Amino acid sequence: GDSVTQMEGPVTLSEEAFLTINCTYTATGYPSLFWYVQYPGEGLQLLLKATKADDKGSNKGFEATYRKETTSFHLEKGSVQVSDSAVYFCALSFAGRRALTFGSGTRLQVQP
Amino acid sequence: EAGVVQSPRYKIIEKKQPVAFWCNPISGHNTLYWYLQNLGQGPELLIRYENEEAVDDSQLPKDRFSAERLKGVDSTLKIQPAELGDSAVYLCASTGSGSSGELFFGEGSRLTVL
Repeated sequence: GDSVTQMEGPVTLSEEAFLTINCTYTATGYPSLFWYVQYPGEGLQLLLKATKADDKGSNKGFEATYRKETTSFHLEKGSVQVSDSAVYFCALSFAGRRALTFGSGTRLQVQP
Repeated sequence: EAGVVQSPRYKIIEKKQPVAFWCNPISGHNTLYWYLQNLGQGPELLIRYENEEAVDDSQLPKDRFSAERLKGVDSTLKIQPAELGDSAVYLCASTGSGSSGELFFGEGSRLTVL
């Protein structure tokens, strides 16, 4: 079946450091790919998405590029802030099923 | 516009007791989901509704879990009887035809079974 694998956390960085959170997927076909973020005490919310190969999703300084060759969708940010501290989930979906399959999440802690 | 509303936010019960969770999706969203999130894990789909029809319930443990969405709007997820292993966060999400695959999540209902 379809699955998503994320790097384990927690990831601890100092403010203004560069962030990469790795995500790879296994799926039959070409899914849409998503990054969701869960801030403390809040619900999951969409951070960015990409629907086809080589698409780049971006939002709030975060970016991720859909790489079909490596089945990856790594999340990056050039300069993290304390307010970015949260749990980040990589996910995939197919249009027909209309349901997300999530990775296990990566906790990011940014220290001042 | 109101987001997805879930209640209760927290529930503590003894094992073997019943429990129910309620979800009101975003107005106009025909598709409603219930997900289970165990501590330190990603959400896992329990059931998906298209209007009032359950179209994907293959992961719902039907011996003790049930769900309904009678009028195609709000939904209830029930567990009877609850077991210790059911302690988790139960997430509701919804989406509409124009959402481009994005799901909108509620804040979740955290269940603790003692």
